Formats: sequence, C-alpha cells, structure tokens
Amino acid sequence: EAQVTQNPRYLITVTGKKLTVTCSQNMNHEYMSWYRQDPGLGLRQIYYSMNVEVTDKGDVPEGYKVSRKEKRNFPLILESPSPNQTSLYFCASGFGSTQYFGPGTRLLVL
Amino acid sequence: GQQLNQSPQSMFIQEGEDVSMNCTSSSIFNTWLWYKQDPGEGPVLLIALYKAGELTSNGRLTAQFGITRKDSFLNISASIPSDVGIYFCAGHWGADGLTFGKGTHLIIQP
Repeated sequence: EAQVTQNPRYLITVTGKKLTVTCSQNMNHEYMSWYRQDPGLGLRQIYYSMNVEVTDKGDVPEGYKVSRKEKRNFPLILESPSPNQTSLYFCASGFGSTQYFGPGTRLLVL
Repeated sequence: GQQLNQSPQSMFIQEGEDVSMNCTSSSIFNTWLWYKQDPGEGPVLLIALYKAGELTSNGRLTAQFGITRKDSFLNISASIPSDVGIYFCAGHWGADGLTFGKGTHLIIQP
C-alpha cells in the first residue's frame, strides 16, 4: 500500500530536549516536505527536499532541521524544542504539485 | 510569502444542501489544489487544477481554476454527513511546496 508514515504519532516533551520525528514514504517520490498546522493559521511549510541531499527552507524553518540521506526518509529534528513549537506536524511526499500527506504527529512541548 | 484567502471560515448547513467555498490570491499559481482533512487525519487530495479556466469534477465535487490563475472555487452538491471536515485550497508555483489557505470548516446538520 502506497503511504507516508510518521512516528511518533503523539509526543509530549519538555523544553530543550532534542527530538526527532521520522517520516518515510514507499512511493519512490523525490519531493518530500514538512508542514505544521496551527489553529487559525492553516498549514505552513517548514522545510522541503527536492531529492537526496537537497533540502531548502520553507516559510517557517526557525528552530527546525532536516536531513535527506535516503530517498524514502525525511526526518524532522528539533534540537531544542520550545513551547511555541507545540503543533500538529505533517510530512508529505509527491511529484510536482501532487502531494500525499502522512497521518500527522501531535507534539506538545512543556 | 504568498498568501491564500479562503472563505468562508466555517459553514453550517443542512444535509442535502449544496456547498460553495473559494480561495483568492494576490499571486499567480501554476496549479491549484483542493484538499480535505478529516479529524485526526492528514489532508487528502480531492481535485487538482492545472490550466486557467479549467473546470473539473470528482463525483459530487466540482472545482474551477480562475482565468487569472489567482482564484478557485470548490462546490459540493447534495452534501452528506461524511462531507464533514476541513477543506483547504492550496496553490503551487515552481519548485516550492504548497501554499495553503486557512481552511473552511464544514459542519452538516442532519
């Protein structure tokens, strides 16, 4: 089954404790991206990757890092999480303008 | 960055009614997309529009890409309970990711 998977689905952490949210796709897509969704703000792009070892900033990259060492994986790294990064995070992969979204990771930073 | 203005913010309708929502932008997009998000899930692509003026249907859904490439509307005919959710418009330009509207919450009263 073609899908985008994210782990964990839910995470509660404390300020400053590094965390990684994993994203994996099995559709051989070159393009992958991360979004955050906040009430009243819709979905905003954090980072995207056009291919292996090629990443670029989206609209709200501050406080986040990404890496793309393999085509199928695109982890999102929060080196020092802060409460304003409490949000619902979505990974997506696709080609051209067609993107498929994962199920989301709900993060709470205390 | 680019912004999409989506309206209405929310809709309360009776089952069986038709629904109409729209998005406008100050910028031109190559592609316009409509997504639906169910509670606890990631957005799912409903319709993609690639040409100015294009009118596309998917079952009870109809969407059009404005002639100026700066706007789009989505219509849902004869709404049913499973249409409940958040509908997002999104624009795509070049190699960047998607720019999303803030969403329209659709609530259907039986």
